Amino acid sequence: QTVVTQEPSLTVSPGGTVTLTCASSTGAVTSGYYPTWFQQKPGQAPRTLIYSTNNKHSWTPPRFSGSLLGGKAALTLSGVQPEDEAEFYCLLHHGGAWVFGGGTKLTVL
Amino acid sequence: EVQLVESGGGLVKPGRSLRLSCTASGFTFGDYAMSWFRQAPGKGLQWVGFIRSKPFGGTTEYAASVEARFTISRDDSKSIAYLQMNSLKTEDTAIYYCTRGAPGFIREPLDYWGQGTLVTVSS
Repeated sequence: QTVVTQEPSLTVSPGGTVTLTCASSTGAVTSGYYPTWFQQKPGQAPRTLIYSTNNKHSWTPPRFSGSLLGGKAALTLSGVQPEDEAEFYCLLHHGGAWVFGGGTKLTVL
Repeated sequence: EVQLVESGGGLVKPGRSLRLSCTASGFTFGDYAMSWFRQAPGKGLQWVGFIRSKPFGGTTEYAASVEARFTISRDDSKSIAYLQMNSLKTEDTAIYYCTRGAPGFIREPLDYWGQGTLVTVSS
């Protein structure tokens, strides 16, 4: 049973920078895991921010970026805004299946 | 404008069946893979499965937890994707979302999400 691990919660000040990570129990995350990142605010459907490691959609704010960092997938927010407060989920490919991390609750305070 | 609208959710008894629909508009439906995800109340997201577009075989992939019970299909003439759910269990209780595209697909990446439809499995 593959487990994908994210930080349960993070707090960042407005204007600050924060990095969320996504680790696999099978080992180092590579581009072949096609890391995908989602943002979900309370009572709303998720929104896809980043796909295949570092590709953005037209609606993805420039302050969001995806990368691989230290064997994990990473989502970095630079110049955090109050409206970025949300739950963030990563999704990884594992041998034909797709597994979500448990989510990171980001608080902007 | 791309829109995805799920329907067909509701209260169903364990062991029964339910079919969800995802009605799409604003794009050429037949050109895209379509995916289903779910989220149990107060919990995280779970991948359910996806169906490729007809040019790529129209084949399906499923999560192990649903593979023997759920079937995804599509009607390109109506721009609808379906999720047929059989032998429902209480643990299938969740909001079910459809999305355009599929995970790992560079040409058809996951992008737009519907608002979801709630399925409650309870006696």
